[in-house]
Amino acid sequence: KAGVTQTPRYLIKTRGQQVTLSCSPISGHRSVSWYQQTPGQGLQFLFEYFSETQRNKGNFPGRFSGRQFSNSRSEMNVSTLELGDSALYLCASSGLDTQYFGPGTRLTVL
Amino acid sequence: ILNVEQSPQSLHVQEGDSTNFTCSFPSSNFYALHWYRWETAKSPEALFVMTLNGDEKKKGRISATLNTKEGYSYLYIKGSQPEDSATYLCAFITGGGNKLTFGTGTQLKVEL
Repeated sequence: KAGVTQTPRYLIKTRGQQVTLSCSPISGHRSVSWYQQTPGQGLQFLFEYFSETQRNKGNFPGRFSGRQFSNSRSEMNVSTLELGDSALYLCASSGLDTQYFGPGTRLTVL
Repeated sequence: ILNVEQSPQSLHVQEGDSTNFTCSFPSSNFYALHWYRWETAKSPEALFVMTLNGDEKKKGRISATLNTKEGYSYLYIKGSQPEDSATYLCAFITGGGNKLTFGTGTQLKVEL
């Protein structure tokens, strides 16, 4: 079974721009969650999508948004990028009880 | 606000040593406790999902226990090997989806 894939793996943007990250879950998984990892804050939950609906949301500003398509693929979007958005963004797809993580997208904001 | 704490923050052990880490979490509204191993430049790898008080799980040389009443879990590594070097993360779920609240991790370095 193929694992969780994320694209792109690396991204460099400038302040004020927007960015879209993509996540393809493991086949058959309907839940996709997104996490942000920064050196100071560790891994923090952004949001979870299940069957195209947002099921949970973390404490992030409205500049962070996401969506899920009918094939369970998910995208997250960050608008008006700030320097502090530089981070590793991980997505995870969930089967029965385990979350499987992708390799992440490393976003650098200059 | 849920707070998951892990100790120690980092650990250096010699090959062959046994070691253990602690994860503390709020005991109210408990649903599940996850353990992950995260090696540099790789994805976090799921080790255990624990749901019942008194649960003990084992995978090779690694095992974990859970006490939901007092809000802690221990992860044990027996006979540490250099390939065990990684950051070990625990994460807590209160239910209603897959929102994981992570601790800051224990960074383990196993030296020859």
